[in-house]
Amino acid sequence: QQQVKQSPQSLIVQKGGIPIINCAYENTAFDYFPWYQQFPGKGPALLIAIRPDVSEKKEGRFTISFNKSAKQFSLHIMDSQPGDSATYFCAARKRGSTLGRLYFGRGTQLTVWP
Amino acid sequence: SQTIHQWPATLVQPVGSPLSLECTVEGTSNPNLYWYRQAAGRGLQLLFYSVGIGQISSEVPQNLSASRPQDRQFILSSKKLLLSDSGFYLCAWKDRGNTEAFFGQGTRLTVV
Repeated sequence: QQQVKQSPQSLIVQKGGIPIINCAYENTAFDYFPWYQQFPGKGPALLIAIRPDVSEKKEGRFTISFNKSAKQFSLHIMDSQPGDSATYFCAARKRGSTLGRLYFGRGTQLTVWP
Repeated sequence: SQTIHQWPATLVQPVGSPLSLECTVEGTSNPNLYWYRQAAGRGLQLLFYSVGIGQISSEVPQNLSASRPQDRQFILSSKKLLLSDSGFYLCAWKDRGNTEAFFGQGTRLTVV
């Protein structure tokens, strides 16, 4: 059972566009929501993360929007560049988890055309 | 600063052969360690995790096993590889007191 559902599976935008990747969850025990960026042949790298006590977090061109009541969160990439072409994963972790186990979405392959 | 090393980067092994993938973390003590497998279109599947030396928990039954012989060393093994073991294997770590988890560069395993 996929605890974090991610869409779309793939996304193509022109340079300068604003791709949006969406994730949804059901388990209200989740309280930490990171996004990872992965380039081909490399391991995922932590990009940005949010906790449910805020509705938005920005780091550079990357913004997470969080809707606690809807149990949804999304990643927006402002002024997207060809170098942003990668696979993006959302994830979630349960409150108080000593293990720190992350539940991942299935990933979104983003292509930014020049 | 902390770093994670995972090797080899790529590996081609025949069916029925043994496997040993190694992961080491530097710059931290007593981290949580994880092995994930990534299949195309299926995201990251947690295979094993460890909260201490000799403490291994498995998420899914399979042909693989894991061991943690030292505090910052995590090994993924198999006695006899199957074709279905092919995939991209990722090691990850997390400090107990922090929220962030960090991944190694991965091993692309092809079983032929």
